[in-house]
Amino acid sequence: EAAVTQSPRSKVAVTGGKVTLSCHQTNNHDYMYWYRQDTGHGLRLIHYSYVADSTEKGDIPDGYKASRPSQENFSLILELASLSQTAVYFCASSWAGGREQYFGPGTRLTVL
Amino acid sequence: GDSVTQTEGPVTLSEGTSLTVNCSYETKQYPTLFWYVQYPGEGPQLLFKVPKANEKGSNRGFEATYNKEATSFHLQKASVQESDSAVYYCALSETNNNAGAKLTFGGGTRLTVRP
Repeated sequence: EAAVTQSPRSKVAVTGGKVTLSCHQTNNHDYMYWYRQDTGHGLRLIHYSYVADSTEKGDIPDGYKASRPSQENFSLILELASLSQTAVYFCASSWAGGREQYFGPGTRLTVL
Repeated sequence: GDSVTQTEGPVTLSEGTSLTVNCSYETKQYPTLFWYVQYPGEGPQLLFKVPKANEKGSNRGFEATYNKEATSFHLQKASVQESDSAVYYCALSETNNNAGAKLTFGGGTRLTVRP
């Protein structure tokens, strides 16, 4: 059974619209992360969280917000979607003392 | 900040030939180094990690040695199979940071193995 799930798996949004991507993990991990994947750029960290009700900025946070209402759930919010935010988004989790991360299957977002 | 540079793809090989994907890194800390593999339609998954300098990691016939002096962590496999076709990511995690297992990834190398 998949330990990190994401929804939706794909989404088409309009420029200026609001988009919420959801992530759920059953690993009992403290840390959760949101990355975006673009060809040639690998994976870049947007936001992360190490405890419920708290989020931290990653390397490319502009234009994104995050929400961690519980240990299991972590959302990525695009308040005003833009064309440049078309990408594949991955959620990941890790335990506090560990180094490796466990990724979800990704959400393909297309902004038109 | 930290950075990871790896072989630019795509790389196309025939089954049975050898693979080397170069990875170099920059960091001021003492990182743990990783290789992740991503198959089509899936998220990246850990291939193996090496937390200490001068040690080797391996899995599924792939291996890499953590070379602290050369700041390199090249991925090698003696004989690739068609099922190895995927995107490979080199990554590092700082030992001391407040972001838990915050990873810095290279740009990825797409490998296609022809039968």
